Amino acid sequence: DIQMTQSPSSLSASVGDRVTITCRASLRIITYVNWYQQKPGKAPKLLIYTASNLQSGVPSRFSGSGSGTDFTLTISSLQPEDSATYFCQQSYSNPVTFGGGTKVEIK
Amino acid sequence: QVQLQESGPGLVKPSQTLSLTCSVSGGSISSGAYYWSWIRQHPGKGLEWIGHIYYDGSNYYNPSLKSRLTISADMSQNQFSLKLTSVTAADTAVYYCARSVRFCRGNSCHPWIDPWGQGILVTVSS
Repeated sequence: DIQMTQSPSSLSASVGDRVTITCRASLRIITYVNWYQQKPGKAPKLLIYTASNLQSGVPSRFSGSGSGTDFTLTISSLQPEDSATYFCQQSYSNPVTFGGGTKVEIK
Repeated sequence: QVQLQESGPGLVKPSQTLSLTCSVSGGSISSGAYYWSWIRQHPGKGLEWIGHIYYDGSNYYNPSLKSRLTISADMSQNQFSLKLTSVTAADTAVYYCARSVRFCRGNSCHPWIDPWGQGILVTVSS
């Protein structure tokens, strides 16, 4: 299985900060990475698909980049409602696997 | 828009079979554009993809669960189901059903998952 290593596992930032979350794949997966946001007690929500495509309805402060093994989710200006856990997911090969998650807290 | 809703018992005894159903509204599971998937999340942990079924009845299971797992679909009811046999406490988790969008290039597909059901907590305990 392809391992997805996310970092950091948690972070605390202020409203308006630029936040970056990284995900590293255990082998090259082209751009087949998706990003999800999960709030407590809720199901994950798709933010970004195939590395850099913004899902409809998702605020433009969210963006994704990367290819090969290294991928990034960026929140350009952190908002209070962005407090959540973020997961990456590879869909290069089966079984689909997820990163361990990054918990984002607001200072 | 499509919505998914899990149903089934919230408590299952060890060694028994966990059975869940996902009811889909606002879209048809007969569409060739999607896989219909199950994902689980152990309490306070990350996400584990269980498997999926396609409209033609084909499916893919996580090898870690394959020997105990069956995913089936009822097109007439627009539902799909999960059965996991011989459960243990390690199967205690929130189970999500979801639609996976098939993005195919050549002979392989690279899905993303959207939307998800709200999830159902299943506890394995005597």
